[in-house]
Amino acid sequence: GAGVSQTPSNKVTEKGKYVELRCDPISGHTALYWYRQSLGQGPEFLIYFQGTGAADDSGLPNDRFFAVRPEGSVSTLKIQRTERGDSAVYLCASSLGLAGGVEQFFGPGTRLTVL
Amino acid sequence: QQQVKQSPQSLIVQKGGISIINCAYENTAFDYFPWYQQFPGKGPALLIAIRPDVSEKKEGRFTISFNKSAKQFSLHIMDSQPGDSATYFCAASSGSARQLTFGSGTQLTVLP
Repeated sequence: GAGVSQTPSNKVTEKGKYVELRCDPISGHTALYWYRQSLGQGPEFLIYFQGTGAADDSGLPNDRFFAVRPEGSVSTLKIQRTERGDSAVYLCASSLGLAGGVEQFFGPGTRLTVL
Repeated sequence: QQQVKQSPQSLIVQKGGISIINCAYENTAFDYFPWYQQFPGKGPALLIAIRPDVSEKKEGRFTISFNKSAKQFSLHIMDSQPGDSATYFCAASSGSARQLTFGSGTQLTVLP
């Protein structure tokens, strides 16, 4: 079946601009995660959704970052007033969540470059 | 606070050799320990995972060894192949949220 998909694959923007990154999880997966991976580092947790609600947003670095999942499937990560330090690969993962199964399956990521 | 420490940072192994990557954790609440493989430009792919109620798990050429008292776990890749050349991440999670805490990664190169 189809895996986790993310769009766009690459996004170049200018400092101060607003960006949206999209994640389409595996069908039937109720849990969705966003991570950020800087060059040469492991992914770092940003936010976790169980269904439509953000169950844990403790990893969001500041209030410029926000994510939604209005219908419990597709999620959008939104970054306002982008800064050069936001440049990274943003990864999305999904799992069966409370429905059973803790294995997280990752998408290919969106590489964000802030000039 | 880095809760999962991974070593070595890089590893070079001859084809057919054994690759060993080590991780140590601090949070005793962790109860799920997966290993991910990542190729350049791709997302991490789940390789194998273990829970602390067993000391070893083997799947094909990949084995996880787990030492609960030492809070350490390791990945062994037997008969390493050039196609195994990638970055490997250990991770850990706990609780209902299951957010993963990753190690810093090991870049493995298997020479032909």
